Amino acid sequence: GNSVTQMEGPVTLSEEAFLTINCTYTATGYPSLFWYVQYPGEGLQLLLKATKADDKGSNKGFEATYRKETTSFHLEKGSVQVSDSAVYFCALSEEGSQGNLIFGKGTKLSVKP
Amino acid sequence: KAGVTQTPRYLIKTRGQQVTLSCSPISGHRSVSWYQQTPGQGLQFLFEYFSETQRNKGNFPGRFSGRQFSNSRSEMNVSTLELGDSALYLCASSPRTGTKNIQYFGAGTRLSVL
Repeated sequence: GNSVTQMEGPVTLSEEAFLTINCTYTATGYPSLFWYVQYPGEGLQLLLKATKADDKGSNKGFEATYRKETTSFHLEKGSVQVSDSAVYFCALSEEGSQGNLIFGKGTKLSVKP
Repeated sequence: KAGVTQTPRYLIKTRGQQVTLSCSPISGHRSVSWYQQTPGQGLQFLFEYFSETQRNKGNFPGRFSGRQFSNSRSEMNVSTLELGDSALYLCASSPRTGTKNIQYFGAGTRLSVL
């Protein structure tokens, strides 16, 4: 079946460090791919998305590129801030589906000043 | 524009009881989906409603049910609660169904089953 695998956390970085959170997926066809972020005590917020191969999603300094050949959608940010501390979820929506999301387990990021 | 509103935010129940959770989608959104979030299983899809019809269902027992009203508000019900039903239940709304649509999440209802 379809699935998403993302690197386990927690990930601890110093402010202004470079961030990469790996995400790979298993799916037939061309799913849509998403990164969501969850801050403590809150629901999920969409961070970025990509709906076809080679698309790059970007938002708030975060980027991810839809790589069909490696079935990956890694999240990157050049310089993290303390306010980026949260749990990050990679997710996919199967091609031709109603749109329900299949999530990875989440990666907790802590950024120290 | 108001976001997705879930009520109540917190709920404590005992085993065997039933519970109803409510979700008001963003104005104009017709699709509502429900997810269960637990530390062990992560985020799992429960079901999706569009125009008062269940369009998709995840792999959960029949104790989990839902409905959607004509104003797109949705409720989910869990009967005969078990300890393992303790979780954060998230509702998400979207203008329509489909692969590329963005889902907007509420803050969730945290259910504790004692």
